[in-house]
Amino acid sequence: KNEVEQSPQNLTAQEGEFITINCSYSVGISALHWLQQHPGGGIVSLFMLSSGKKKHGRLIATINIQEKHSSLHITASHPRDSAVYICAVRLGTDKLIFGTGTRLQVFP
Amino acid sequence: EPEVTQTPSHQVTQMGQEVILRCVPISNHLYFYWYRQILGQKVEFLVSFYNNEISEKSEIFDDQFSVERPDGSNFTLKIRSTKLEDSAMYFCASSQQGWGTGELFFGEGSRLTVL
Repeated sequence: KNEVEQSPQNLTAQEGEFITINCSYSVGISALHWLQQHPGGGIVSLFMLSSGKKKHGRLIATINIQEKHSSLHITASHPRDSAVYICAVRLGTDKLIFGTGTRLQVFP
Repeated sequence: EPEVTQTPSHQVTQMGQEVILRCVPISNHLYFYWYRQILGQKVEFLVSFYNNEISEKSEIFDDQFSVERPDGSNFTLKIRSTKLEDSAMYFCASSQQGWGTGELFFGEGSRLTVL
C-alpha cells in the first residue's frame, strides 16, 4: 500500500478555473510538502505544512492532521501552472516519502 | 535569489563505470540531501547529510553509493560501479534546518544514463 496517495493523477483545466489536488497519507507525519515539478524536470518547493493553511499568491495549501489529508488549491489557473504537483511527507526524520504526483495541464 | 546548482546536467556512462554527481548547496544551509527519480516513477529519498556525516539513508543507498562534502561548498554523490537500473534523474536539495522543520531547496537535477 502506498503511504502517500494523490488524486487525481491527471487533471486538465481551462484557464481561470479553480483547481484542487488532494493528498492522503497513512502514517503519522511531522510535516507535509507540496512541490512543483516543471516539464524540464526541475523541482520547486511550494509549501511546507505541519498544520492549518498557507497561502502564497494564487496557491493555497491546507492540511487536516486528524484526517491525514492535505489539499493544494490553485485559484484563477493559468497555462504557466501546467506542471506535475507532488505531495511528500516527513515521518519525523529527514526522510521524505513522495506521492506519484498529479499532472496538471491548463489550456488557454 | 540563492539557488542549489548541480553538475553535470546530463551524463552518459557505460555500465560498471564510476560516476560523481556534484551539487553546490545554498551557502548558509546545513542539511543536504540526494533524491532520485527513475523515468516515469516517483521521486525517492536516497540520503541526508549533516555535520559531515550521513544522518539517514534509504534501502536504495547501498555500498555502491557514497556522499561527501569535500571542500565546504560541494556536496557529491558517487556511484562506484554503475548499473543499468541507476539510470535516473538525481536531485540534490539543501535546507537551513533539518528534521522536517526547514524548507527544501532543490537543484535542477542531473540526468544519468547508464548504457
